[in-house]
Amino acid sequence: GENVEQHPSTLSVQEGDSAVIKCTYSDSASNYFPWYKQELGKGPQLIIDIRSNVGEKKDQRIAVTLNKTAKHFSLHITETQPEDSAVYFCAATAAMYSGGGADGLTFGKGTHLIIQP
Amino acid sequence: AAGVIQSPRHLIKEKRETATLKCYPIPRHDTVYWYQQGPGQDPQFLISFYEKMQSDKGSIPDRFSAQQFSDYHSELNMSSLELGDSALYFCASSLEGQTYEQYFGPGTRLTVT
Repeated sequence: GENVEQHPSTLSVQEGDSAVIKCTYSDSASNYFPWYKQELGKGPQLIIDIRSNVGEKKDQRIAVTLNKTAKHFSLHITETQPEDSAVYFCAATAAMYSGGGADGLTFGKGTHLIIQP
Repeated sequence: AAGVIQSPRHLIKEKRETATLKCYPIPRHDTVYWYQQGPGQDPQFLISFYEKMQSDKGSIPDRFSAQQFSDYHSELNMSSLELGDSALYFCASSLEGQTYEQYFGPGTRLTVT
């Protein structure tokens, strides 16, 4: 089965600086890579995702890059703000876009992002 | 926008009792997933349903079962509860074959005493 490794487990950055979280996956069949933000006591919130036919995707201060050859993907947050403080999870799965099934996500262990004022 | 609804939000049970968790997906979503998250851990996939049929199975114990109904809501049934079953249980929904994004509900916190 799929195995997703995530680093670092804790990341502390100054407000306004950038944060980068890295993940690797093992299953070459995986083709969908979402990132979730989870605040204490809440459900994971989808913040950005990328599919295997794309190398990079950007949404305002958040960007994700994917290197299929190296089986590596990263989350980049620029101009960090206090409200960015949370636990971030990367995930991977093999999505069947033609329908007929739904695979569960395999998550990394999470990164606790702390934004220092 | 409407989100995934889970009930109850909190549940306290004793060992060996049973529990039923309910999930109402986002309107028009036809796929539901169940995840279990222990304290300080990542969510672990349990099971998923697409169009009322089991689609994928993860690390769901034999003591647990689930189903999806004609209105697409889903129920997770947990029997012979153990202390180790204490966790947050999340339901997520998606529109299969379209966008594949999974949207999570607020979770049910199950405490087994």
